[in-house]
Amino acid sequence: GAVVSQHPSWVICKSGTSVKIECRSLDFQATTMFWYRQFPKQSLMLMATSNEGSKATYEQGVEKDKFLINHASLTLSTLTVTSAHPEDSSFYICSARRPNNEQFFGPGTRLTVL
Amino acid sequence: AQTVTQSQPEMSVQEAETVTLSCTYDTSESDYYLFWYKQPPSRQMILVIRQEAYKQQNATENRFSVNFQKAAKSFSLKISDSQLGDAAMYFCAYRTRDEYGNKLVFGAGTILRVKS
Repeated sequence: GAVVSQHPSWVICKSGTSVKIECRSLDFQATTMFWYRQFPKQSLMLMATSNEGSKATYEQGVEKDKFLINHASLTLSTLTVTSAHPEDSSFYICSARRPNNEQFFGPGTRLTVL
Repeated sequence: AQTVTQSQPEMSVQEAETVTLSCTYDTSESDYYLFWYKQPPSRQMILVIRQEAYKQQNATENRFSVNFQKAAKSFSLKISDSQLGDAAMYFCAYRTRDEYGNKLVFGAGTILRVKS
């Protein structure tokens, strides 16, 4: 299957700092990427849909100024958690959509804010 | 809006036995996709099986099969000959079929434990 990578896999940061998470589709061009947040033993919550070259579409209740998403190329989308606080600690997962609509998930990034 | 319900927070199965995970969904659309994803302790989401709503035949992938009841809006997953590696959280998911139907709607998940 297709490969989607995320970097970093784990990050610890101090409260008030910003953290950037990268999502790359390694062997296909992804016109659309998705960002999810997952708390322990819970389901994936869609945060936003990112289309290459345009602004991301955020789900209701997700602060767009807090979670900045950039989809600058067909293989890269980034999620920046700005002024992170302990409540932002979570597991963040991206997925990338192939032109045939199949979605492939990245391995996730564990964010811990101290 | 579409919703997906998994009513079993946790299930247990003995190794080599069969287990069925339940999923129901709500939609007003007639054409869509349904999925079962597995999330092992590594937390990598893995596609287990996929069903297209217009196909009456139930999808099968080796030891994994589904019972798709469109009228009842039910989509259960049967795992036969359970193995220790099947232990994971399983998510049922829905997606529309149209060109812009990107979003996956996930259920709450079912934790499957496999006993040796």
